[in-house]
Amino acid sequence: SQTIHQWPATLVQPVGSPLSLECTVEGTSNPNLYWYRQAAGRGLQLLFYSVGIGQISSEVPQNLSASRPQDRQFILSSKKLLLSDSGFYLCAWSVSDRGHYEQYFGPGTRLTVT
Amino acid sequence: AQSVSQHNHHVILSEAASLELGCNYSYGGTVNLFWYVQYPGQHLQLLLKYFSGDPLVKGIKGFEAEFIKSKFSFNLRKPSVQWSDTAEYFCAVSYTGGFKTIFGAGTRLFVKA
Repeated sequence: SQTIHQWPATLVQPVGSPLSLECTVEGTSNPNLYWYRQAAGRGLQLLFYSVGIGQISSEVPQNLSASRPQDRQFILSSKKLLLSDSGFYLCAWSVSDRGHYEQYFGPGTRLTVT
Repeated sequence: AQSVSQHNHHVILSEAASLELGCNYSYGGTVNLFWYVQYPGQHLQLLLKYFSGDPLVKGIKGFEAEFIKSKFSFNLRKPSVQWSDTAEYFCAVSYTGGFKTIFGAGTRLFVKA
């Protein structure tokens, strides 16, 4: 069966420090991968998605970047964190089922920038 | 741009009350529709989905949703809620063949025992 892992679960970082959040998926091949940020009362904002190794699409301009060095690995990064980067970050994956895509979510990372 | 609107941000119900959470979307093409649920301290998980066919879909834990194309709606219902239904509920939509999903702002449901 497929599983998705995210780490760390929680992170407290000072303003200006770098960031690296990792997401890995097991039990599937060539998944689409996604990074979301969840803010209270605002739902899930899609930050990045990837349809293959090295292929990254950004949905919103921001202080973050994403990379996909391996088929089932997706990394969210920042060179210098801002206070506004605090939030709950979710990784998700999907594969096509006759043209329909159902997403499966990881446990999330709670990031607090101080 | 595609958008999803959930009518209520917070809902408080007593056990055994009926539930209906509203969801409307803006996309006019062929859509896939989802309701996700996030229980306290747990992963976001799929509650039910609509791809095609019968517009009344049934999901886990006694939930159902009805797709009304003319109203661009996909409302979630449950005849009798339980305390364990306390959670945040998200409506989501994607267009058929597309792998991006747009989420609503979420509705926090609190069920009083």
